[in-house]
Amino acid sequence: AQKVTQAQTEISVVEKEDVTLDCVYETRDTTYYLFWYKQPPSGELVFLIRRNSFDEQNEISGRYSWNFQKSTSSFNFTITASQVVDSAVYFCALGGTQGGSEKLVFGKGMKLTVNP
Amino acid sequence: KAGVTQTPRYLIKTRGQQVTLSCSPISGHRSVSWYQQTPGQGLQFLFEYFSETQRNKGNFPGRFSGRQFSNSRSEMNVSTLELGDSALYLCASSFPGNRAEAFFGQGTRLTVV
Repeated sequence: AQKVTQAQTEISVVEKEDVTLDCVYETRDTTYYLFWYKQPPSGELVFLIRRNSFDEQNEISGRYSWNFQKSTSSFNFTITASQVVDSAVYFCALGGTQGGSEKLVFGKGMKLTVNP
Repeated sequence: KAGVTQTPRYLIKTRGQQVTLSCSPISGHRSVSWYQQTPGQGLQFLFEYFSETQRNKGNFPGRFSGRQFSNSRSEMNVSTLELGDSALYLCASSFPGNRAEAFFGQGTRLTVV
């Protein structure tokens, strides 16, 4: 069975601080995909990043960066120089490849509050 | 390019009633998935449709059903509503293949009283 764990439930930071969101996953699939989504108060889940299991290269995209480590089954996400607009609930998600299904398994989410 | 559209945005129903929610995916997307979001259980997968066929189903009772039309629009139905069905129902569409990212609608907030 697939499982995603986000140990942090809520984090509060001051603007311009860096913040790292932790995600640990479990899967038996050899090929899988990992995602981070952001959910602002409006309710819509906004796609942030996607990574596949055979590419552990970590990247930076603007203020976002991620650290994917298969050895520890972790897919952590960092926001550099946080801004008030980053305040939202962040979800880590895992997708397999069996049967071509697009199903995602989500973590419980982590509420980030960025204070001015 | 229009995003995923879910209607209605808000709904209040009474226990025992049934409800139908609608989702129009992004043009060209043929895969539609539904999720239920509650404070206690988080985001849970309901079902997925591709080319009018249910491709995957989550662990929900038979009161939850869905379908997809030839234009890829999807509906989900909940019969005999219970208080515990109160939730945000999110629809996601994707262009199948290679696990492309899913795009979500703003959801339908269902309140059962």
